[in-house]
Order: sequence, then C-alpha cells, then structure tokens
Amino acid sequence: GQQLNQSPQSMFIQEGEDVSMNCTSSSIFNTWLWYKQDPGEGPVLLIALYKAGELTSNGRLTAQFGITRKDSFLNISASIPSDVGIYFCAGQLGGSQGNLIFGKGTKLSVKP
Amino acid sequence: NAGVTQTPKFQVLKTGQSMTLQCAQDMNHNSMYWYRQDPGMGLRLIYYSASEGTTDKGEVPNGYNVSRLNKREFSLRLESAAPSQTSVYFCASSGTGRAKTQYFGPGTRLLVL
Repeated sequence: GQQLNQSPQSMFIQEGEDVSMNCTSSSIFNTWLWYKQDPGEGPVLLIALYKAGELTSNGRLTAQFGITRKDSFLNISASIPSDVGIYFCAGQLGGSQGNLIFGKGTKLSVKP
Repeated sequence: NAGVTQTPKFQVLKTGQSMTLQCAQDMNHNSMYWYRQDPGMGLRLIYYSASEGTTDKGEVPNGYNVSRLNKREFSLRLESAAPSQTSVYFCASSGTGRAKTQYFGPGTRLLVL
C-alpha cells in the first residue's frame, strides 16, 4: 500500500528557533494536509494544500505542496512552548472517498 | 457546533468482551472514518463510510465491524476484544468536493486485558 515517509521522527529545539519537517511518498497525491496532535487529544487540522507548488501560511506556520506532488514541507518560525506536540502529514488520493494516508508523525519538543 | 464527538473516552475490557464505540458529527458531513493510533504507527484506517448506507474496509479492518446508523452517527464494534486491539481510536468526518479535509474527534482510549 501507499506509504508516507515523515522526517524527522522527533526534534528538540530551543524556544525561538525555526523548525522544518517534511513528508515524501512514492505516490502522487491530490491534497496534502498537516495536522497537530496535543497529548490526549485528536489531531487538529493546521494547513490544507490543494495544488502542486502551493505555498500556504497559517500564522507562524508555512506549508508547501511539492511540485512533483509526492512531497510536502511544514515550517514553523520562532517556535514557542505551545508548539509542543506531534505533527502529522497526510496525503489524500483522488476519488470520492477522500481517504488519507498518514505519516508516522514528528514529535516536537521546545525548551523554554 | 460540537464537531465530532466520541463516547466513551476511556474503556477497559477483558479479552473476549464486546463493546461499541460511538461517534457523531454535527457538520452535515457525508463521509465518516474510524482510525486506530498505536505508538510509532501513526493513524491507520479501520473502516470508512463515504455516505449514509455505505461502509468499506480500510487498512486494518480485521476484528471490527461498523454501522452507519444515519448521516450523523458511525459506530465501531469489537465483537470479541483481543489485547492487540488496545489502542486509541479516533473517529473523523469530512465533506465533499474540495472540503474533503477530515476533522477528528477527541478519541477513545481502549485497554484490553
């Protein structure tokens, strides 16, 4: 089946630093989504990308839909302690179901 | 709007017991999904329902059944729980067209002894 490779698996950074994470796949996706999951909660949608090459921001977060449609990147600028959590990428194939393929997540820890 | 709600939040079962996890959404979404989340495995799709009256298997359907009771509700049933089904279960829903992004509930934490 399709697989997403998400990296890095985990990151320990200092407050104020910028963060980058990415997902790659052997499959072409029509949509890329980025979610954040806080401990004990469900994933919350951060950014949705619908077109190859699209660059979208949500506050300090910026995500890009790769030109090849096989990858996506998420950047967080000037990290703060509340950025702590697990970030998941998800690729969505075409078709009516809208099924998602999830990466295994990037666990972000921020030191104040 | 409450979004996606799930009950119960926590459950402990003994091997062989059965239970039903409930999910409801108030966003008038057509599609609903059940995932399980295990450490280091990300989210894996168990079953989904593209519309009321239809259900299909996902990546890991064995040991589970689902019912799309109406447009709002989608339940997941474990007929005979096994320790391998210890996990966190998430329900999600999505609309149609470009709005197929999925919105998740808070999860049900299940421990099977």
